[in-house]
Amino acid sequence: GENVEQHPSTLSVQEGDSAVIKCTYSDSASNYFPWYKQELGKRPQLIIDIRSNVGEKKDQRIAVTLNKTAKHFSLHITETQPEDSAVYFCAASTGSGSQGNLIFGKGTKLSVKP
Amino acid sequence: GAGVSQSPSNKVTEKGKDVELRCDPISGHTALYWYRQSLGQGLEFLIYFQGNSAPDKSGLPSDRFSAERTGGSVSTLTIQRTQQEDSAVYLCASSFMRDQPQHFGDGTRLSIL
Repeated sequence: GENVEQHPSTLSVQEGDSAVIKCTYSDSASNYFPWYKQELGKRPQLIIDIRSNVGEKKDQRIAVTLNKTAKHFSLHITETQPEDSAVYFCAASTGSGSQGNLIFGKGTKLSVKP
Repeated sequence: GAGVSQSPSNKVTEKGKDVELRCDPISGHTALYWYRQSLGQGLEFLIYFQGNSAPDKSGLPSDRFSAERTGGSVSTLTIQRTQQEDSAVYLCASSFMRDQPQHFGDGTRLSIL
């Protein structure tokens, strides 16, 4: 089955710097890769997603890149702000048959220092 | 409703009791998912419903866990004979269909004494 590895587990940056979080997946049939932001005690919120027919997607300060050959995808946050501090989860869809759930990485705790 | 609704928001119960957790998905969403999140951990898939198809139960950790989805809408997750290791936040999500953005509820925080 699908396995998703996420790195780093914690990341601390200065306000204004960029942050990059990387994930790898194992199932070559996976075709949907969302990223979620979860603030303490809150529900996970979708911030950006990408499908396997696209190599890059950008939404303001957030971008995601996908390398299908290498089976890895990354989240890039530019000009970080203190309100970006949260736990970020990557996920990959299970690729085949009756499955349709997401397999999540273990999360990256991002701290943005003012 | 506007979003995924879960109840109760908190549940404290004694070891050995049964509990029922409820999820009301976004109207029109055919796919519904249950996940479990232990303190400081990631999201662990439990079960997935898609329309009228048989659910994918591959993530259920033991036969004490079961779920149903009546009328293609509301879902109930039942945990029988609860154990302390069942303590976690149980999150429900729904999506328009598979491989579409999943929207999460606020979860039920379950504490087993």
